Amino acid sequence: GESVGLHLPTLSVQEGDNSIINCAYSNSASDYFIWYKQESGKGPQFIIDIRSNMDKRQGQRVTVLLNKTVKHLSLQIAATQPGDSAVYFCAESSNFGNEKLTFGTGTRLTIIP
Amino acid sequence: EAQVTQNPRYLITVTGKKLTVTCSQNMNHEYMSWYRQDPGLGLRQIYYSMNVEVTDKGDVPEGYKVSRKEKRNFPLILESPSPNQTSLYFCASSLRFNTGELFFGEGSRLTVL
Repeated sequence: GESVGLHLPTLSVQEGDNSIINCAYSNSASDYFIWYKQESGKGPQFIIDIRSNMDKRQGQRVTVLLNKTVKHLSLQIAATQPGDSAVYFCAESSNFGNEKLTFGTGTRLTIIP
Repeated sequence: EAQVTQNPRYLITVTGKKLTVTCSQNMNHEYMSWYRQDPGLGLRQIYYSMNVEVTDKGDVPEGYKVSRKEKRNFPLILESPSPNQTSLYFCASSLRFNTGELFFGEGSRLTVL
């Protein structure tokens, strides 16, 4: 079946460096993508989203890149801080909304002081 | 404060004893959804609701029921819990189904013995 997954389950980055978290998806009908952050003991928190008519979107210290040709999504976090340590999930949908979101299994990002 | 509130946060119960996990949001959101989170499987959708009295199955609805009698509340009912329903449950809401930012509750950890 269709799946959303991540290339690396864990990622360690030095504080202040940039980090890149990758996500592959297989559903060619996917048209909406979201990144969530989940800190230990908390619910996921929305970071940024992108629709399939875009290939890049920027937020505060974060950038999401979408490559529809290879069905790949990435989240770039600039100048990482200790508070960025968390599990990051990508999610996708094929109806431009939350109705039927499919989540990946997550990447654990650890910021090294 | 805008929030999604789940109760109970932690529960240990026995097989077959009916239980309800409540979810309430104070943001006047139309869309609400329940997910379960299991190691290695990520977040999987159980049920969702587009508005009052409108509910539909997600990817793993077996063994669960929901109702949406009021806009703010979306309880998850386990009529006869079984050990395979031991999991971490999250309720989420968004303004409408086609807006990206899902707001999640803090989670309810359920153990069925």
